[in-house]
Amino acid sequence: SSELTQDPAVSVALGQTVRITCQGDSLTTYYASWFQQKPGQAPILVIYNTNNRPSGIPDRFSGSSSGNTASLTIAGAQAEDEADYYCTSRDSRRNHLRVLFGGGTKLTVL
Amino acid sequence: EVQLVESGGGLIQPGGSLRLSCAASGFNFSNSWMHWVRQVPGKGLVWVSRVRSDGIITSYADSVQGRFTISRDNAENTLYLEMNSLRAEDSAVYYCVRDGYTTSPGYYYYYMDVWGKGTTVTVSS
Repeated sequence: SSELTQDPAVSVALGQTVRITCQGDSLTTYYASWFQQKPGQAPILVIYNTNNRPSGIPDRFSGSSSGNTASLTIAGAQAEDEADYYCTSRDSRRNHLRVLFGGGTKLTVL
Repeated sequence: EVQLVESGGGLIQPGGSLRLSCAASGFNFSNSWMHWVRQVPGKGLVWVSRVRSDGIITSYADSVQGRFTISRDNAENTLYLEMNSLRAEDSAVYYCVRDGYTTSPGYYYYYMDVWGKGTTVTVSS
């Protein structure tokens, strides 16, 4: 079981705004990043360190965080945004650094 | 162009061993922390292991601790994952991933940024 919790599936109407959330204790200490993965492809980074977009990622993607919850917001969702989205953060346990992934959220654009 | 290319996957019997490789290009590999992440088709991403830029510090997921060994050859710009005592549940696509980072005074903030396309490992008799 994942220690970062995501809703398994979310849907959004074309052009509308959608928020995908990720909850976990590690998020009170470490930044969240978000990946987009389309079928048969490797994940790509869309948000890092809570709210930073890599170059080439559309500005409709944004990130935020409050307490133990990180969020990915897509403002004006497009058909090409339909994908699985995974959050990730670092975590330390008994001074052992590890990486956590959420279980993923399947985004459907209607 | 920053690129990671995995190889070495295949079909292996339970209890067997396999070594994955990841060839890096387009960036300063010897300055980068690196990871292995795996994914069963249709399932989520699972972190496997991480190695510091000099290869000295490593960490592993509990599920592979003691069976898998991550290493690197900075002269050859190559990351490795030696997998022993393989089990059916190790079957997955294995991705090589770079750790990028940002800094503020006294701190490094790491995040996975570049992924390879993956290599498939199937453990089956």
